[in-house]
Amino acid sequence: DAGITQSPRHKVTETGTPVTLRCHQTENHRYMYWYRQDPGHGLRLIHYSYGVKDTDKGEVSDGYSVSRSKTEDFLLTLESATSSQTSVYFCAISRDPGNTIYFGEGSWLTVV
Amino acid sequence: GNSVTQMEGPVTLSEEAFLTINCTYTATGYPSLFWYVQYPGEGLQLLLKATKADDKGSNKGFEATYRKETTSFHLEKGSVQVSDSAVYFCALSDRASGGSYIPTFGRGTSLIVHP
Repeated sequence: DAGITQSPRHKVTETGTPVTLRCHQTENHRYMYWYRQDPGHGLRLIHYSYGVKDTDKGEVSDGYSVSRSKTEDFLLTLESATSSQTSVYFCAISRDPGNTIYFGEGSWLTVV
Repeated sequence: GNSVTQMEGPVTLSEEAFLTINCTYTATGYPSLFWYVQYPGEGLQLLLKATKADDKGSNKGFEATYRKETTSFHLEKGSVQVSDSAVYFCALSDRASGGSYIPTFGRGTSLIVHP
């Protein structure tokens, strides 16, 4: 199994609070991704990174920001959580473009 | 832009039945194609992949062939088991603008296999 750790795995938070999800990898892969998974929508890309301090937006980036200060860590921040951001969040990594993507186990976030 | 279209689910089969899950794609370049599987409560994991036209990916009895002429990558298995019950995602990885590859996933197809 690829060495990907997501934290926290489960979180309940209140509307309007900031939330940070962490993804840590031990594979030294260059590319890291944050997806959200919702019924009827499949997987949707939020943000991705192609190197330290190099990030770009995905298709559903509004309300989210990311940071990557080290190769192994990719943080996803919900600046002011809303109920529409209740979802399962998956971190993923890949060595290079076109190659296999490895997924973390997911972080279940509930915004009340 | 790139897109992946999968057949709607759920697909419900009896054990030992033949499985086909259709997947078609659109891409601006020459993508790599993947099938991922997700078991309940887990993340996605690679099932098989193909990187060029006419390549056949295979794993655990599942197969898919990269068909460039029909832009398809259909997943097949000759005899499904109850343990194959999961959600299956077709995906592609292709160069997007700016030189970065962006993986694109289908919406997933749920497979339910009854004893």
